[in-house]
Amino acid sequence: EDQVTQSPEALRLQEGESSSLNCSYTVSGLRGLFWYRQDPGKGPEFLFTLYSAGEEKEKERLKATLTKKESFLHITAPKPEDSATYLCAVQDSNYQLIWGAGTKLIIKP
Amino acid sequence: DAGVTQSPTHLIKTRGQHVTLRCSPISGHKSVSWYQQVLGQGPQFIFQYYEKEERGRGNFPDRFSARQFPNYSSELNVNALLLGDSALYLCATSLWLTSTDTQYFGPGTRLTVL
Repeated sequence: EDQVTQSPEALRLQEGESSSLNCSYTVSGLRGLFWYRQDPGKGPEFLFTLYSAGEEKEKERLKATLTKKESFLHITAPKPEDSATYLCAVQDSNYQLIWGAGTKLIIKP
Repeated sequence: DAGVTQSPTHLIKTRGQHVTLRCSPISGHKSVSWYQQVLGQGPQFIFQYYEKEERGRGNFPDRFSARQFPNYSSELNVNALLLGDSALYLCATSLWLTSTDTQYFGPGTRLTVL
C-alpha cells in the first residue's frame, strides 16, 4: 500500500537553529515528490517538486533533497515567519497525490 | 493573476443536509482536484477532473460527487451530511495531468456539520 510518513510530528526550534524534517515513502511508480507549506486555516502553498534520487532544490532558507526512500527538508537559520506545517506528498502512477500528516514547525524568537 | 478561488469560505450545516462547494481554477488550468483535510492530518484525495472528465476518485462514499464545467470551474457536492464530514475542503488546480505539473491550492472551504 502506498504510504507517506513524516517525522517528527512537531518541532520547536530557536530562531537561527537549523534542523531537518523527514518524509519517508513507499509508492509504486513514483512520479514526483512535493513539499508544501501550510499556515493555519489556509490552503497548502507549493514549495518544491523532486523527481529523482539525488535531486536537490533550494529556496531561501529551505533545501529539499530526495533519496529512493525518503526526502529531507532542511531549514537553515530559521526565522519566526518560517513557522508553519510542512506537508510532503508523493504522486503515484495514476497522478494522484498521497499525503503525509505534516510536521508542525514552531520557531521561537 | 488571480489564484485558485473557492466559495464559500465558511459554511455551517446540520446533519442530513446537502452542501455545494465551488472552485474556480487559475486561468489556463484544466485539471481540478478536491481534497478533504481533517484537523491535524494531511489532505485526503476525493476527486480529480481533467477536461471535464473524472480521472480519479478517492475512497469516499457515494454521498460525495463532483463535476467540472466547460470553463473548468468545479463543484463538489456532499449529500446527507454527517458530523464526520466537518473538515477543510481544498481545491487544487493544475495545467495538465502529468507529473511535471504542480497543483496549486485555493484557500479552502471550512465546513462545520452540527
